[in-house]
Amino acid sequence: DTGVSQDPRHKITKRGQNVTFRCDPISEHNRLYWYRQTLGQGPEFLTYFQNEAQLEKSRLLSDRFSAERPKGSFSTLEIQRTEQGDSAMYLCASTKRETGLKSYTFGSGTRLTVV
Amino acid sequence: AQKVTQAQTEISVVEKEDVTLDCVYETRDTTYYLFWYKQPPSGELVFLIRRNSFDEQNEISGRYSWNFQKSTSSFNFTITASQVVDSAVYFCALSEVSPLSGNTGKLIFGQGTTLQVKP
Repeated sequence: DTGVSQDPRHKITKRGQNVTFRCDPISEHNRLYWYRQTLGQGPEFLTYFQNEAQLEKSRLLSDRFSAERPKGSFSTLEIQRTEQGDSAMYLCASTKRETGLKSYTFGSGTRLTVV
Repeated sequence: AQKVTQAQTEISVVEKEDVTLDCVYETRDTTYYLFWYKQPPSGELVFLIRRNSFDEQNEISGRYSWNFQKSTSSFNFTITASQVVDSAVYFCALSEVSPLSGNTGKLIFGQGTTLQVKP
């Protein structure tokens, strides 16, 4: 297991299109997090899952955003009707609840550009 | 409310100088964790350190050292004898442990400090 994988690494889309990103956590990790990082800012929490249950969503996660983790393994983040303000790096992280923050691992991120 | 402030937006030093990156945090909880991450131009977040609120001992790891002071809610990071490879954006982050929900693992990041080390 080589870590948290995110796909794609880069995505360019036209305004108004839908996009979907995927995150594959470390296999034994039951918690998965999504963050958004805009240029010049720190990452901001969007949502997190414990197994397949989405336990918390930030107010940043507008109704155009939806995240799923259907079988408690990989997760997808979909943005509908993209806007230029959605351009950002989307980071995924995972950890094992039982080990808490010790195993917290970030992926390399998906960089979204909306043109 | 929880908040992390990194007041220094950009710092520029010449190689071999020492540099300190400041981090001030706000939290309601008595139990929490503090982190430092490095983000090089490639974009990935590189974990540097995690410290819990009950451990105020300063830590040194090679050229890196951290000064945690609960009295001033600060967790500062010093790089001794800086090198060009230290050039990156550095983030301080906070994770709370609330009496009701425990530690959710949600991280609150500061805005980051861009460090440029010139040869």
